[in-house]
Parts: sequence; structure tokens; C-alpha cells
Amino acid sequence: QVQLVESGGGVVQPGTSLRLSCMASGFSFSSYAMHWVRQGPGKGLEWVAVMAYDGSNVYYTDSVKGRFTISRDNSKNTLYLEMNSLTPEDTAIYYCAKVWSGNYSPLHYWGQGTLVTVSS
Amino acid sequence: EIVMTQSPATLSVSPGERATLSCRASQRISNNLAWYQQKPGQPPRLLIIDASTRATGIPARFSGSGSGTEFTLIISSLQSEDFALYYCQQYYNWWTFGQGTNVEVK
Repeated sequence: QVQLVESGGGVVQPGTSLRLSCMASGFSFSSYAMHWVRQGPGKGLEWVAVMAYDGSNVYYTDSVKGRFTISRDNSKNTLYLEMNSLTPEDTAIYYCAKVWSGNYSPLHYWGQGTLVTVSS
Repeated sequence: EIVMTQSPATLSVSPGERATLSCRASQRISNNLAWYQQKPGQPPRLLIIDASTRATGIPARFSGSGSGTEFTLIISSLQSEDFALYYCQQYYNWWTFGQGTNVEVK
């Protein structure tokens, strides 16, 4: 079955960096676009970034543009999110998610998430 | 950015009753709308795609409708496991979520 396992979260100070990973299994990872979505403490869901199945297209929400970089290694079935210049507003659970199908698509499977806390 | 607005914020329903959740888009999104269920400590679970198609394994008591800017999720007879947060999401132009509706026990 489809499994998505995020890792790399932790407590960091403002202005620092963190790299999240999402290891995928149970499906043909290289055939699907993948997303990052975050959820602040007690808050709703916020879409963060998407990368096409082959890495050809990436898009970000405005609040992370220039600071976050999504990438993937299809040989390792792994999705990444490099986060720089972190602020307390980036504190959230970060989920990776597999699309249902195609480009503009709902998010079918989600990982359990990894918690990022930005605090001095 | 397309803004998604859900109502009500909280819906109090008795088990066995029907729940009706609404979602409005700030501009037309055709039928590019999904519904998710989220329980405490868990990731969201996809319920409905394309406004009205149930995702794999979703019980028939969940139904979605709408097109354009107005959408509805109906849970026909609430079971204990259905009390949760529900989010709508548009995928017509980027991806944005509504703020959620909490379905609680009356």
C-alpha cells in the first residue's frame, strides 16, 4: 500500500535552515507530482509547494517563495523540502502528499507529517 | 489567489442525523473541488474529488455536489467516526483550502 514517511523536523532558531524528507513506497513515485502542505498549531491546512513527476515544474505559495526549495530524487523515491530563513510563522506540521492523478489534482495520500518548530 | 470560505465554522449534529457543509469559492472553479476529513493527530483523508466523486473506499453516506462557486458536502447519517474537521480545497488554480468546518456531537 501507499506509504509516505516524512522526517527531518525539529526545533530550530529563527533565521536558520532545515531540510525535510519524504520517503515514498507502494506506488510508482516517478509517475506522480508531489506536494508539501503545512498546518500550523491549531490552524487549518496551507498548501506550500508542488513538484511535477519529473521535476520539470515547481510552484510555491507566496509566503515561502525564495526561501523554500522543493526537490525530488526519483531514484530514491524521496521528496525534499529545503527551508531557509525560517521564521516563527513557519512553525507547523509539514505533510507530503501524493496527487490523485495529473497536474491540477487533489491530494490522495498523505504522510503522518513532521513537526517544525521555529523558536528562539 | 482563489479564496475558499466554509460555513458554518462549527456544526453540532446528533448521531444518525444529516450534516450539510458548505464551501464557496471567490471565483469560478468549475468542479475542481475536493473534500477532506481530518481527525485529531491524523493527516487529512481525501473524501470527494471533482466536487461529487467519492474517493476510493469512502462510504456512500458521504456525497458532494456543486459547480462554479458553490459546493456542498452532505453526510447523510452521521456515524460516531464522522465527527471531525472537514476541509474543502480547490485545485483549479493552484491549491487553496477552506478554513474548515468542525462537525461536533450535539
